[in-house]
Amino acid sequence: SQKIEQNSEALNIQEGKTATLTCNYTNYSPAYLQWYRQDPGRGPVFLLLIRENEKEKRKERLKVTFDTTLKQSLFHITASQPADSATYLCALARMDSSYKLIFGSGTRLLVRP
Amino acid sequence: EAGVAQSPRYKIIEKRQSVAFWCNPISGHATLYWYQQILGQGPKLLIQFQNNGVVDDSQLPKDRFSAERLKGVDSTLKIQPAKLEDSAVYLCASRPGQGYEQYFGPGTRLTVT
Repeated sequence: SQKIEQNSEALNIQEGKTATLTCNYTNYSPAYLQWYRQDPGRGPVFLLLIRENEKEKRKERLKVTFDTTLKQSLFHITASQPADSATYLCALARMDSSYKLIFGSGTRLLVRP
Repeated sequence: EAGVAQSPRYKIIEKRQSVAFWCNPISGHATLYWYQQILGQGPKLLIQFQNNGVVDDSQLPKDRFSAERLKGVDSTLKIQPAKLEDSAVYLCASRPGQGYEQYFGPGTRLTVT
């Protein structure tokens, strides 16, 4: 069965540094991958989508890479701020009529001021 | 644009009782999802609707869970009877016809004692 792995340990970094979160997957050939942000007591919020034929996607301070050979996506937040502290979820989907997402367990990011 | 609405926000019940959750998706979104998120895990899809038809309910425990989306708008998710392991946050999400991102509601936190 498909398996998506994200670092279960929280990532603790200093404000202004770049945060890098990892998403690895096995037994899966996703058509696209999404990253979501989730704050305590709230639902996930969509951040970025990258397709299988794209290597990199950027949005403001966010960057996502997708390596289908390594079966890995990296999510970067540059010039991190305390407000970036949250749990970040990756989710994969096949390209079929259902657009069904499979979520990882998320990585908690803590940005110290 | 109003977001996805869910109610109640919190619910505490005893095992073997029944409970129902309500979701109002973003206006015009044809696809609606119900997810279960256990503490420390990512959301797990329970059921997906396209308008008022079920697209995927393969992970819905049908002996105790049921869901409907009458008229292709609002949806309800019911658990009867509840078990201790049903304690989780139940998230509703919707997706527009164009685009892959899902829009989540705030969730209902269910505690079964």
